[in-house]
Amino acid sequence: AQTVTQSQPEMSVQEAETVTLSCTYDTSESDYYLFWYKQPPSRQMILVIRQEAYKQQNATENRFSVNFQKAAKSFSLKISDSQLGDAAMYFCAYRFYQGGKLIFGQGTELSVKP
Amino acid sequence: EPEVTQTPSHQVTQMGQEVILRCVPISNHLYFYWYRQILGQKVEFLVSFYNNEISEKSEIFDDQFSVERPDGSNFTLKIRSTKLEDSAMYFCASSEATSGSSLDEQYFGPGTRLTVT
Repeated sequence: AQTVTQSQPEMSVQEAETVTLSCTYDTSESDYYLFWYKQPPSRQMILVIRQEAYKQQNATENRFSVNFQKAAKSFSLKISDSQLGDAAMYFCAYRFYQGGKLIFGQGTELSVKP
Repeated sequence: EPEVTQTPSHQVTQMGQEVILRCVPISNHLYFYWYRQILGQKVEFLVSFYNNEISEKSEIFDDQFSVERPDGSNFTLKIRSTKLEDSAMYFCASSEATSGSSLDEQYFGPGTRLTVT
């Protein structure tokens, strides 16, 4: 069975600094997707970034980028130039290529200090 | 921009009562999902639904749960006899496809907070 692990329950970053959130996963599949979701206090789930496992190039979305290490089954999220609005719970998620369900990690609560 | 909506935003019910949580997926989406998040815990998959059938369900989704698409727009989750441990945030999501490009992105609704007393 696939599992997703986020070992950092809480992280803190100074405004304008860079922070990296860690995620590891376990799967026997070779084709899959990985995601980072943001959940602000409103509890709405917002997709931040996605990575296709077959792509070697790391995905980037403006200030958000990932470090995808397929062999190590590691998928970290880097937030550059952190802003107060980035404060939220961040969930790493896995999805099999052909399947629909998302498998989430436990989440990392990110706080941003002004 | 199209969005998934859910009603009610907060539901309080007594143990043993039936509840129906409602979702309106994005209109051209074909795949529908329910997830739940117990306070302070991770988001867990409950069930996926396509072509008026359950595609996949988790072990959480036992006989107390059912899903239905009663018309062309609504997607509902029914809990027949609620338990205290059913208290959670329930998220509905929908996608246009399940694989390929960005069509498989799951759009989440704002959630329904269910409190069982």
